[in-house]
Amino acid sequence: DVVLTQTPPTLSATIGQSVSISCRSSQSLLHSNGNTYLHWLLQRPGQSPQLLIYLVSRLESGVPNRFSGSGSGTDFTLKISGVEAEDLGVYYCVQGTHAPFTFGSGTKLEIK
Amino acid sequence: QVQLQQSGTELVKPASSVKISCKASGYTFTSNYMHWIRQQPGNGLEWIGWIYPGNGNTKYNQKFDGKATLTADKSSSTAYMQLSSLTSEDSAVYFCVSGWYFDFWGPGTMVTVSS
Repeated sequence: DVVLTQTPPTLSATIGQSVSISCRSSQSLLHSNGNTYLHWLLQRPGQSPQLLIYLVSRLESGVPNRFSGSGSGTDFTLKISGVEAEDLGVYYCVQGTHAPFTFGSGTKLEIK
Repeated sequence: QVQLQQSGTELVKPASSVKISCKASGYTFTSNYMHWIRQQPGNGLEWIGWIYPGNGNTKYNQKFDGKATLTADKSSSTAYMQLSSLTSEDSAVYFCVSGWYFDFWGPGTMVTVSS
């Protein structure tokens, strides 16, 4: 199975600070069809996860543009440019290239 | 708007089975994949499998082979997951998720396995 390693496991940020989360894959997530099925989710406390970014860098409708995704192959990054209070929660990367689909272990974002 | 309405909390006995439902609305049920995801207490997320309601095709995580069975009823736009031979390890929140990119998540169904 593909292992997604997320770092850091926890992140503490002040309002307005920019932060990045890394997601590294044990194998390339480039599918034979040319797509890279790496997505980012946010699970706020007590809620179900929501999709933020899909296909590495595409912003889901309704998600603020302070969120951005980048990367290729095995190395991916989620950046939040100017953290806001509502951004607290656990961020997960998920890959849909190789079955079984797998999730990273999560990065918990705390607001200082 | 997209809505996924999941069935309520289940308290079930070891060795029994349980069937969770996920009623979809606000989009074309038969044209979108439905994933099922498990989140054990304090743990991360595990992909159980997907079903394509349009033709009933399924794909399972081998880890859940024999444990989970995914079905869908096109007439009611409802997806189901049956879990069998339950043990305490199966105590978790189970999410249905529509869309190939894990687009939209249901609220989750908590299953507690206890005698």
